Amino acid sequence: QKEVEQDPGPLSVPEGAIVSLNCTYSNSAFQYFMWYRQYSRKGPELLMYTYSSGNKEDGRFTAQVDKSSKYISLFIRDSQPSDSATYLCATYSNYQLIWGAGTKLIIKP
Amino acid sequence: DVKVTQSSRYLVKRTGEKVFLECVQDMDHENMFWYRQDPGLGLRLIYFSYDVKMKEKGDIPEGYSVSREKKERFSLILESASTNQTSMYLCASMEGAGIMTFFGQGTRLTVV
Repeated sequence: QKEVEQDPGPLSVPEGAIVSLNCTYSNSAFQYFMWYRQYSRKGPELLMYTYSSGNKEDGRFTAQVDKSSKYISLFIRDSQPSDSATYLCATYSNYQLIWGAGTKLIIKP
Repeated sequence: DVKVTQSSRYLVKRTGEKVFLECVQDMDHENMFWYRQDPGLGLRLIYFSYDVKMKEKGDIPEGYSVSREKKERFSLILESASTNQTSMYLCASMEGAGIMTFFGQGTRLTVV
């Protein structure tokens, strides 16, 4: 079993929809959870990170962690075609990041 | 802004060639990483380094080596390139006490 599981998609939604991207993790000791966005032919860039449980909001993006179910989510409101990218979840352990496979998101105009 | 710069965006090399991928970061970070990224397999860690002249194997080190002679520079070496090393290679740096990781733009390597 991988330490971080993420459905690779692709996930295709119409412009303006609310998008929900999800990951599960196996180790309850993980404390930091990150979301990276990667545009085609570019390196990933950090979008948001959260510590422990709860929500964090940044504009149209909300990151949520549910430690009881070991579930992390990224919500995108009012999705735009420019949000089309691959979204990778990650957690942090021993100075390394542990990655999900990434979900390819397509926002249709 | 933190900058991580990889020396090439695209490379085409022949089987058996020795290949050098260079990465430079400008934020004095201790930790640097080399990943490869393949469709359906996500990011896989090849090697990382937490200090000058220090290196640690990641999950898939076979066929690769690294060099870190200066803090800002981390090089990935393919000793004898093979077609199964055709991939996107990503360099990253991370500050020592935190979790902020910054990536280069990637090098798409094709081995023919």
